[in-house]
Amino acid sequence: DQQVKQNSPSLSVQEGRISILNCDYTNSMFDYFLWYKKYPAEGPTFLISISSIKDKNEDGRFTVFLNKSAKHLSLHIVPSQPGDSAVYFCAAIFSGSARQLTFGSGTQLTVLP
Amino acid sequence: NAGVTQTPKFRILKIGQSMTLQCTQDMNHNYMYWYRQDPGMGLKLIYYSVGAGITDKGEVPNGYNVSRSTTEDFPLRLELAAPSQTSVYFCASSDLRGNTEAFFGQGTRLTVV
Repeated sequence: DQQVKQNSPSLSVQEGRISILNCDYTNSMFDYFLWYKKYPAEGPTFLISISSIKDKNEDGRFTVFLNKSAKHLSLHIVPSQPGDSAVYFCAAIFSGSARQLTFGSGTQLTVLP
Repeated sequence: NAGVTQTPKFRILKIGQSMTLQCTQDMNHNYMYWYRQDPGMGLKLIYYSVGAGITDKGEVPNGYNVSRSTTEDFPLRLELAAPSQTSVYFCASSDLRGNTEAFFGQGTRLTVV
């Protein structure tokens, strides 16, 4: 049973437009959420995170929104750039653990020039 | 700053062979993890460690063993390799204090034939 779900395997967006990547979770114990970006033949790299006590966190072009009641989060990239083309993974932690990440299956974002 | 270093980057094993995937980190992180990523899937936790001498099973531990004799190193042992262990393996580490994001190595692509 997947506790973190990314239902869109792929997304294509025009350069300069907004990219919105979605993620749903089922485990109410998760209290910290992260987005990782992965290029081919590389390891995932941390992008942005949000604590469950917040509903928004912004870092430059990247904003993550959390809706706890819906158990849903989204990553907004504005404006999208061709270099943003990568696989994006949503991940979750519960702070009482050893911070093991539970990952979604990823969304391949392609930003078209 | 090397971060998390994994060796080898690629390996082909025959069914029944054994090997050790090496992982070392130079950030003095307490927590270390091994994940595997199958095509089109998210990363799944194999084993993790909260400090030297302490390890525990993750979601998919069967067929693997780990040890943690130092803070820096966390090798993953495959005994009696099987085709189902064909995957990309990622080692990661995170700090007990401060930010919760994990840092990943570049990965080891393993094929069992």
